[in-house]
Amino acid sequence: KAGVTQTPRYLIKTRGQQVTLSCSPISGHRSVSWYQQTPGQGLQFLFEYFSETQRNKGNFPGRFSGRQFSNSRSEMNVSTLELGDSALYLCASSSGRGADTDTQYFGPGTRLTVL
Amino acid sequence: AQSVTQPDIHITVSEGASLELRCNYSYGATPYLFWYVQSPGQGLQLLLKYFSGDTLVQGIKGFEAEFKRSQSSFNLRKPSVHWSDAAEYFCAVGLSGGSYIPTFGRGTSLIVHP
Repeated sequence: KAGVTQTPRYLIKTRGQQVTLSCSPISGHRSVSWYQQTPGQGLQFLFEYFSETQRNKGNFPGRFSGRQFSNSRSEMNVSTLELGDSALYLCASSSGRGADTDTQYFGPGTRLTVL
Repeated sequence: AQSVTQPDIHITVSEGASLELRCNYSYGATPYLFWYVQSPGQGLQLLLKYFSGDTLVQGIKGFEAEFKRSQSSFNLRKPSVHWSDAAEYFCAVGLSGGSYIPTFGRGTSLIVHP
């Protein structure tokens, strides 16, 4: 079974631009979560999508948004990029039945650099 | 608000030695607790999780963790470390209700000497 894939793996943007990152979950998984990892703030939860609906959201500004498609693939978008958005963005998928019986699998991440 | 503290930023052990990584949490209710490992250039991998029941949890790669409510701790242990265990380890606490919405600790970097 193929794992979680994220594209692109590396991205360089300039301040003010917007960016879209993509995540393809494991086949059959309906939940996709996104995380931001920075040296300063560590790992932080962005949001979770389940069956095309945002089910949970972390404490991030509205510049961060996402969506999920009917095939469970997910995209996240960051508008008006700031230098502080430079980070490793991780995507994780699970069946979505609940963390007590479920296992979450992570992709390798997209490394975003904002200049 | 929930929080997680990993007191040790770096831990150095010799290959074959035992390992214990510390994790303390602050949470108002019964927590959902997790340990993850991140190898260089890789995403996270779930090692083990605790929701209820037996306070000693077995995970993958020979790791185990013990939940101690009285100490608000969830320490990760391994009896004999291998060089391939060198990585960053993250403890996390999740909201009750079952969703994966973890609050992560800052991580402990494990260095393994041959």
